[in-house]
Amino acid sequence: DVKVTQSSRYLVKRTGEKVFLECVQDMDHENMFWYRQDPGLGLRLIYFSYDVKMKEKGDIPEGYSVSREKKERFSLILESASTNQTSMYLCASRTGGTDTQYFGPGTRLTVL
Amino acid sequence: TQLLEQSPQFLSIQEGENLTVYCNSSSVFSSLQWYRQEPGEGPVLLVTVVTGGEVKKLKRLTFQFGDARKDSSLHITAAQTGDTGLYLCAGAAGGTSYGKLTFGQGTILTVHP
Repeated sequence: DVKVTQSSRYLVKRTGEKVFLECVQDMDHENMFWYRQDPGLGLRLIYFSYDVKMKEKGDIPEGYSVSREKKERFSLILESASTNQTSMYLCASRTGGTDTQYFGPGTRLTVL
Repeated sequence: TQLLEQSPQFLSIQEGENLTVYCNSSSVFSSLQWYRQEPGEGPVLLVTVVTGGEVKKLKRLTFQFGDARKDSSLHITAAQTGDTGLYLCAGAAGGTSYGKLTFGQGTILTVHP
C-alpha cells in the first residue's frame, strides 16, 4: 500500500512566523502535490513537483514556496504566515501512467 | 482553467434512500475520479472512469462518465450510515499535465439512521 505521511496533524502558528509542512511518500512516486482545502471550495492546487528539484506553480501559489531535495520528500513553506492561510493542507503523490493521487491525512493549520 | 461544478453541496437523507451526485464541466477530461474523504483524513480513491459512456459499479455505488467525457455522476442505492462523508470528483486533463487534477467543490453526505 502507498503511504503518504505528513509531519503534523494539527499546527498553530502566529502571524508572521515561517511555517514548514513536510510530506513523505514511500512508493518512489515521481509527482507530488500540495493542496489546500477550504469548505465549499474543494481542493485547490498550490504547487506541484514532477521530479526532484523541479516544481511548478498551481492555481494559488501566492504566499507559498516549496522544496523537493529528495524524491520522497516535498515541503511546503509559508514564508510569513497570515490568518488567511488558516486551512487544511493536503499532500498527494502520483506515479506516471496513472491519474490516481494518493493523499496524506492532512495538516490542519491555524494562524492566529 | 478547467472547472468542475459539483452538486449538490450538501445532502441529508435517511438510511435506505437513493441519491445522485453530479459533476459537470465545459471541458473534456481524459479521466474522471471519485474520492471519498472522512473527517480528519485525506481523500481516498473510489473509482476512475476513462471511457466516454463508461459505467462502473462498486457494490451499491454506480459511477457514470458522460459520453463526451465532460460530466460524471455517482449514484448510491439504499444509502447506509457508513456512506456518510465528503465525496469529491476530480478530472484529469491528460497529456503533459503531470497528472494535475481539477477538483469539484465536494458533496457532504449525511445519512441518518
